[in-house]
Parts: sequence; structure tokens; C-alpha cells
Amino acid sequence: DQQVKQNSPSLSVQEGRISILNCDYTNSMFDYFLWYKKYPAEGPTFLISISSIKDKNEDGRFTVFLNKSAKHLSLHIVPSQPGDSAVYFCAATSGWSGAGSYQLTFGKGTKLSVIP
Amino acid sequence: ETGVTQTPRHLVMGMTNKKSLKCEQHLGHNAMYWYKQSAKKPLELMFVYSLEERVENNSVPSRFSPECPNSSHLFLHLHTLQPEDSALYLCASSQSRATRPGNTIYFGEGSWLTVV
Repeated sequence: DQQVKQNSPSLSVQEGRISILNCDYTNSMFDYFLWYKKYPAEGPTFLISISSIKDKNEDGRFTVFLNKSAKHLSLHIVPSQPGDSAVYFCAATSGWSGAGSYQLTFGKGTKLSVIP
Repeated sequence: ETGVTQTPRHLVMGMTNKKSLKCEQHLGHNAMYWYKQSAKKPLELMFVYSLEERVENNSVPSRFSPECPNSSHLFLHLHTLQPEDSALYLCASSQSRATRPGNTIYFGEGSWLTVV
């Protein structure tokens, strides 16, 4: 069963408008959330993250909001630019168990198209 | 230049073939990872190596055999694969397996594998 869900496989937005990408999670142990961006023929690159002790984190045009009670987070891109067109992955991780590694649990991704 | 290089970028192999995927990181990291992304499924962690020692194996079938000869190189040996193993295989590295991921994990561009 998927623990991180991105229910919208694709999203189209006009240049200059706001893009809102949504992500839901089911595992209450997750305490750190991340967004990765992936262009075709490239690997995912880190975009922004948020700890569960916060409800908002902002970095330039990108803001991530976390609603713990709803187990929901969203990524806002304002203003959207054509170069933002990519696949966006939501990911989550829980605390260090002392073994293995920090496991990243990913969503399936949302393909964002920003139309000029 | 991502710092994590994967070869080959595309591979087509028959079910009885033996092939290998190669990953090299130029970042001085101590941890390396193999991820798999199948069509319509999220990125899934397969293996984690820390200082050339396998520290995690996420219930991956034995037809996938990882090898980490040194901290800069990671291989995924493939034999008697099935068509359902066709996927994008991503290598990643981080300074330490105990570092919470974020902008600390770097992905390669991926190797597209098609099993016929």
C-alpha cells in the first residue's frame, strides 16, 4: 500500500500563475518531507524540504506547506515559469532507526507543464 | 555534471542474458544506493551500501546482484530477468547513510532497462 500519494499525475498551468502540487501520506512516523524535481533524461534533484515541527518553508518561488492533522503537504510555485516544467516527486522519511539508512518513500510524481 | 554517472543509459537485454549497470560518484561520498522506478509506480529503494558494505536489501529478488568494490563505484549485476523488471534504475550517493536525505543525496541520470 502506498504510503505517499500524489493523486494528480499531471498539471498544466499558465506562465506567471501559481502551481500547486499536492501530496498525501499515511504513515504517522514520517517526520521529514521533501520535494524533488526531475527533468527528462536527468536524475531527480532536491528542491525543498520541511520538518514536521514546521508548517511552512519557503525558498524563493517555492513554498511547501505541511498540514500534519490532514497528513497533507503541498508545493506552491509562484510565479510559474516554463523552466519549471518537470516531474515533481514528493518524498518522506522517518527518524533514524540506527540501522540501514534513512529510507526515502516516494510518491509516483506529478508532471507539471507550464504553458508560455 | 551531476557528480553521479551511470552507464549505460539505455540497455535492452533478453531474459537469458547477463548484463551489468555501473554507477560512479565523484563526490567523495560514503553511501551509495540503487533505486528502481517502474512504470506507474513510485521510486523504490533496492540496496544501500555504506563504505562498501551492504547495509540494506529491500527484499529484492536474487536475480539482481549488487556489488560495491570501493566507495566510488557501484554495480548492479542482472541475470535471468523478467519483462516486468523493465524500469528506470537510478543510482544515488550521499555523504553518509546516517545523513537525513534532502539536498544531501545526489542521483544519477538513470539507466533505462528493457527486458525482452
